[in-house]
Amino acid sequence: LAKTTQPISMDSYEGQEVNITCSHNNIATNDYITWYQQFPSQGPRFIIQGYKTKVTNEVASLFIPADRKSSTLSLPRVSLSDTAVYYCLVGDITADKLIFGTGTRLQVFP
Amino acid sequence: GAVVSQHPSRVICKSGTSVKIECRSLDFQATTMFWYRQFPKQSLMLMATSNEGSKATYEQGVEKDKFLINHASLTLSTLTVTSAHPEDSSFYICSASQGLAAEGDEQFFGPGTRLTVL
Repeated sequence: LAKTTQPISMDSYEGQEVNITCSHNNIATNDYITWYQQFPSQGPRFIIQGYKTKVTNEVASLFIPADRKSSTLSLPRVSLSDTAVYYCLVGDITADKLIFGTGTRLQVFP
Repeated sequence: GAVVSQHPSRVICKSGTSVKIECRSLDFQATTMFWYRQFPKQSLMLMATSNEGSKATYEQGVEKDKFLINHASLTLSTLTVTSAHPEDSSFYICSASQGLAAEGDEQFFGPGTRLTVL
């Protein structure tokens, strides 16, 4: 199973861009990279998913370099409501399951 | 997006009793459902994977006789915590996928069930 490594926590201020990087050195060829957001006492919520290069949706961008050994979730102009834990997951096609890492606790200050 | 519900949202029970938690995919058929457990300020820990009509696959260290999982239909999976003890108090979260999660099919998560065992 591909293991992921993320910073434990990050602080930011409202209106700033936040970039959270995830390392996944042993990612396999067919693995997708997925990011989830979780608020306290709620289930995780899908943010974005990608395989290579760059993916953008209405809430975030995901940058994946050519070697795919890392990925960066970019949240433009964060607000207080973006305070949450963000998880990077790498799908293992052989195991057909997603394993959550420790996640990054983002705190946004006014 | 697809909706997954859980019932109950919170439950308090006495030690030694059994508790059943339901997970339903409301607007899609779930090929696979997953059960996670999360302790305060910790990450989600995968407990088991269940496919409709077959026995669940439990992760290492998870007692299958204590955490009974039934996936009777493509829209319903249940987790029964048997003879619950205070150390089983946790946040239990289910998720559902239409296809193979690792191939890029999105996992949709339920809102979670807070279990407190007195």
